[in-house]
Amino acid sequence: TQLLEQSPQFLSIQEGENLTVYCNSSSVFSSLQWYRQEPGEGPVLLVTVVTGGEVKKLKRLTFQFGDARKDSSLHITAAQPGDTGLYLCAGDVVNNNDMRFGAGTRLTVKP
Amino acid sequence: DAGVTQSPTHLIKTRGQQVTLRCSPKSGHDTVSWYQQALGQGPQFIFQYYEEEERQRGNFPDRFSGHQFPNYSSELNVNALLLGDSALYLCASSPQRVGNTIYFGEGSWLTVV
Repeated sequence: TQLLEQSPQFLSIQEGENLTVYCNSSSVFSSLQWYRQEPGEGPVLLVTVVTGGEVKKLKRLTFQFGDARKDSSLHITAAQPGDTGLYLCAGDVVNNNDMRFGAGTRLTVKP
Repeated sequence: DAGVTQSPTHLIKTRGQQVTLRCSPKSGHDTVSWYQQALGQGPQFIFQYYEEEERQRGNFPDRFSGHQFPNYSSELNVNALLLGDSALYLCASSPQRVGNTIYFGEGSWLTVV
């Protein structure tokens, strides 16, 4: 079983729609990161959230860290085809020394 | 400022062979982690190196081993390759052992035939 569960696994929407993807765990994280990965490339960091309840905005993307630091969400407003990709959440568990990833949400935005 | 660099970018090996993948961390970073990413999956943690020692290890067999050099660069070695070892191998670096920001290289695509 994955330490971090991401949902949905796949998401296909039309350009202009809004969407939310989720990242959940039973573990507490010191921080949680969201990455976007395109085929054949390494993951690219989008944001890091550290404080429980924290909300960060990156243009049309809004990231939220749960109050208990066990979960996070990514909301995209007015999705564009350029948002297509694999969205990965990753967290470093408190008192651990490595970053663990979810399986990802594969987003396709159709023109 | 160069980011994380990995080599080779693509390689094909035969079952039973051995492979060595290389990684140079981002300037100023002393911690290197290796991940295996199968097609359609998220990265799976293999191990992490800090101060030339393996500090943390994921659920991978002993066929997977590594090394970190004094200049912080790192190698991942896989012995007795299996078809299931075919994957994208990602190297990530961070400026401290428990960093909340890690940076990835482009990865090395390994195909085992």
